[in-house]
Amino acid sequence: KQEVTQIPAALSVPEGENLVLNCSFTDSAIYNLQWFRQDPGKGLTSLLLIQSSQREQTSGRLNASLDKSSGRSTLYIAASQPGDSATYLCAVRLGGSNYKLTFGKGTLLTVNP
Amino acid sequence: EPEVTQTPSHQVTQMGQEVILRCVPISNHLYFYWYRQILGQKVEFLVSFYNNEISEKSEIFDDQFSVERPDGSNFTLKIRSTKLEDSAMYFCASSLFRGASYEQYFGPGTRLTVT
Repeated sequence: KQEVTQIPAALSVPEGENLVLNCSFTDSAIYNLQWFRQDPGKGLTSLLLIQSSQREQTSGRLNASLDKSSGRSTLYIAASQPGDSATYLCAVRLGGSNYKLTFGKGTLLTVNP
Repeated sequence: EPEVTQTPSHQVTQMGQEVILRCVPISNHLYFYWYRQILGQKVEFLVSFYNNEISEKSEIFDDQFSVERPDGSNFTLKIRSTKLEDSAMYFCASSLFRGASYEQYFGPGTRLTVT
């Protein structure tokens, strides 16, 4: 059974700092991995999707990397801003006809002005 | 930009009552999903739906739950007899079936409170 773990559970940083969020998964036979942002009481906004054949994806100040063999992904946020404050979720999809996403519990990020 | 919409945003119901949660997926998407998130816990998969049938479901999705695509745009989740433990945020998602990306796009959620 796929398990997804995110470390740290919470992170507080001053504005402008670069930071890294970590995600690990137990079954490396994944098809892809998605990073989401969730604001309090709100839905999930997809940030980046990395296919299993890719090593990284970039979108603006965000960079996600994937090391499938070791079961790890990182989300790098450059020059953090108070508006980045949210919970960041990692989710993986296994291969084959399995389309469901398995989520981690998330990292609660607070960027202080 | 196209988005997944869900109604209502908040539903309060009494234990034992039936509820229907509604979703309008992105118009050209063919794969649909329901997930739920109990307060303070992980987002959990409930069911996926393609070509008018369930393609996968979790152990949570028991006989109390059903899904339907009653027309060309709506996708619904019905809970027949709600329990206190069904209180959660329910998210609908959709994805393209064909193409390189199976990126799932989520709606804003329906908060279900069972009293």
